[in-house]
Amino acid sequence: DAEITQSPRHKITETGRQVTLACHQTWNHNNMFWYRQDLGHGLRLIHYSYGVHDTNKGEVSDGYSVSRSNTEDLPLTLESAASSQTSVYFCASKHGTEAFFGQGTRLTVV
Amino acid sequence: QKEVEQNSGPLSVPEGAIASLNCTYSDRVSQSFFWYRQYSGKSPELIMSIYSNGDKEDGRFTAQLNKASQYVSLLIRDSQPSDSATYLCAVNPSGDDKIIFGKGTRLHILP
Repeated sequence: DAEITQSPRHKITETGRQVTLACHQTWNHNNMFWYRQDLGHGLRLIHYSYGVHDTNKGEVSDGYSVSRSNTEDLPLTLESAASSQTSVYFCASKHGTEAFFGQGTRLTVV
Repeated sequence: QKEVEQNSGPLSVPEGAIASLNCTYSDRVSQSFFWYRQYSGKSPELIMSIYSNGDKEDGRFTAQLNKASQYVSLLIRDSQPSDSATYLCAVNPSGDDKIIFGKGTRLHILP
C-alpha cells in the first residue's frame, strides 16, 4: 500500500546541532508539507513544496529549511536546533483535496 | 489575525447526544474546507470536506458551510466515546494549495 513515513519517530538533540527529519511518500504526490504541533498552537505550517525543486516558506519557517530533489522525499532541516523547536513534527502529502499525514516525529532539543 | 479560529474546548457531550463544533475563517474567498480528527498521540485524519454552501452528510457526520458568514461547522450525531478526540478545522486559502489549520477543539464524549 502507498504510504507516507517519517523518521525518526523520536529524537533528542542538543542545542546548536543540525538535525534533519525525513519524510517519504510513495503516492507520487506533488504537494508536500511540514507542520509543527504545539500545545495551544495547533498545526502550524513550516515549509511546503508543490514539486521537485519547488519550496515555499510557511508561517513559522525561521530556523528551518527544506529541499525537494525528487517527488518522494521532503526532508526538514533544523540548521541550529533551539529549545523553542522542541515539538511534534508532521509531514503531509496532498493530491487533489485530501492531505495524508505521516505518524509524526517528536523532537526534543536539550 | 489567525486565519482559522476554533474554540479550544474541551467540549463535553453526553453519549448519544449531538456534538457541535464550530470554526470561522478570515479569507473570504477560500473555496475548500476540511475537518480532521486527531486522537491523542496520533496523526490527523480527514473525516469531512465541504466546498459549497449548505450541508454535507456522511454517516453520523454533517459538515455545514456558510461562506457569507465565513463559518464552518461539524455536527456529530449519536456521539460515541470513540468520537473523543481533537477536531481540527482546516482551510485552503484562495489561490493556493496549502492547508491552514485552526488550533483544534477537544471533544470529550461522556459515557
